[in-house]
Amino acid sequence: AQKVTQAQTEISVVEKEDVTLDCVYETRDTTYYLFWYKQPPSGELVFLIRRNSFDEQNEISGRYSWNFQKSTSSFNFTITASQVVDSAVYFCALSDSYSGAGSYQLTFGKGTKLSVIP
Amino acid sequence: GAGVSQSPRYKVAKRGQDVALRCDPISGHVSLFWYQQALGQGPEFLTYFQNEAQLDKSGLPSDRFFAERPEGSVSTLKIQRTQQEDSAVYLCASSSTWGTESGNTIYFGEGSWLTVV
Repeated sequence: AQKVTQAQTEISVVEKEDVTLDCVYETRDTTYYLFWYKQPPSGELVFLIRRNSFDEQNEISGRYSWNFQKSTSSFNFTITASQVVDSAVYFCALSDSYSGAGSYQLTFGKGTKLSVIP
Repeated sequence: GAGVSQSPRYKVAKRGQDVALRCDPISGHVSLFWYQQALGQGPEFLTYFQNEAQLDKSGLPSDRFFAERPEGSVSTLKIQRTQQEDSAVYLCASSSTWGTESGNTIYFGEGSWLTVV
């Protein structure tokens, strides 16, 4: 069965520091998709990135970057020069074809609460 | 509207009461999902609709939980005879296509926060 582990429950950093959020996943499928979502206090899950298992290129979007390594089953998320507005709970999620008929079901980690201190 | 809309945002129910949670997906979105998020946990899958067809309800925790999407747009999640363990945030999500293979994004609403007392 698929599983997502986010070992860091809470992280606090001072504004402008870089921070990396770890995500380790388990799946028996060779085709799967990985996601990161941000959940601010309002509760809505905000989509950040989707990556398929065949694309191991690292991705950068502004201050955000993602490091996907199949060899270690990890999909880590780095925020560069953190800002107070980055404070939220961040979830890593996985979908694969064993989730059911088509990969529509997301399996989430327990989340990492990031606090950026001014 | 521009995003997934859920109502009520907050609901306090007495144990044993029935509740109904509504989800308005993004207009035209084919797929609709319900997730349950307990305090301090990640969301967990409850059920999935493609248009009006409920294709997967494997995540519904008991037969007290029932979801419908009769016209393929608005969906309602109903919980009968609520129990304290039902206290959670119920998140609705929608996407424009089937599954996640084709590169579509799943958009979540802000959730309905249910507290059973």
